[in-house]
Amino acid sequence: EAGVTQSPTHLIKTRGQQVTLRCSPISGHTSVYWYQQALGLGLQFLLWYDEGEERNRGNFPPRFSGRQFPNYSSELNVNALELEDSALYLCASSPRTGSRGYTFGSGTRLTVV
Amino acid sequence: QQQVKQSPQSLIVQKGGISIINCAYENTAFDYFPWYQQFPGKGPALLIAIRPDVSEKKEGRFTISFNKSAKQFSLHIMDSQPGDSATYFCAAIYGSARQLTFGSGTQLTVLP
Repeated sequence: EAGVTQSPTHLIKTRGQQVTLRCSPISGHTSVYWYQQALGLGLQFLLWYDEGEERNRGNFPPRFSGRQFPNYSSELNVNALELEDSALYLCASSPRTGSRGYTFGSGTRLTVV
Repeated sequence: QQQVKQSPQSLIVQKGGISIINCAYENTAFDYFPWYQQFPGKGPALLIAIRPDVSEKKEGRFTISFNKSAKQFSLHIMDSQPGDSATYFCAAIYGSARQLTFGSGTQLTVLP
């Protein structure tokens, strides 16, 4: 069974630019979660998508947005990048019911210069 | 009230020793407490989890102890090995909210 896949693995962007990160959940998982892991700040919840709808968002500005497609894959978009957006962005998926434990991908390392 | 407080921030243990990581929470609505292990360059991986109606859960060398009245839970790694060197996160989740609230992480180093 393929795990959660994220792309790209690394990227470097300039302050003010926009970036799109992609996530493919485990087959059969309908929920996708996005987390930001900035150095020294732990794992911060960003967004939760289920069945194509945004179900909840964390305490992040509106320039962080995303969507979930009919095949349950997801994109995270970050506009007007700031230096402090440099972080590892992690996607996780879970089934609609059953286990409450997520399966995480390996993340996308974003560096803003 | 959403916070999960984790300690210590870093831990160094000799091979064969016991590693203990502690977490405390405030929100009594939390009803599922997983632990994640993260190696450099990888995403966190679910290690073991417990529900508050259970006081202890053991899987191999890993044990969660849960004290509901004190709102504390801990991870014990018995016979710690150099391969256990990683960052460990406790977490909590409740009901329909679905998103995990993570502790700040503990960087464990097991010396050979």
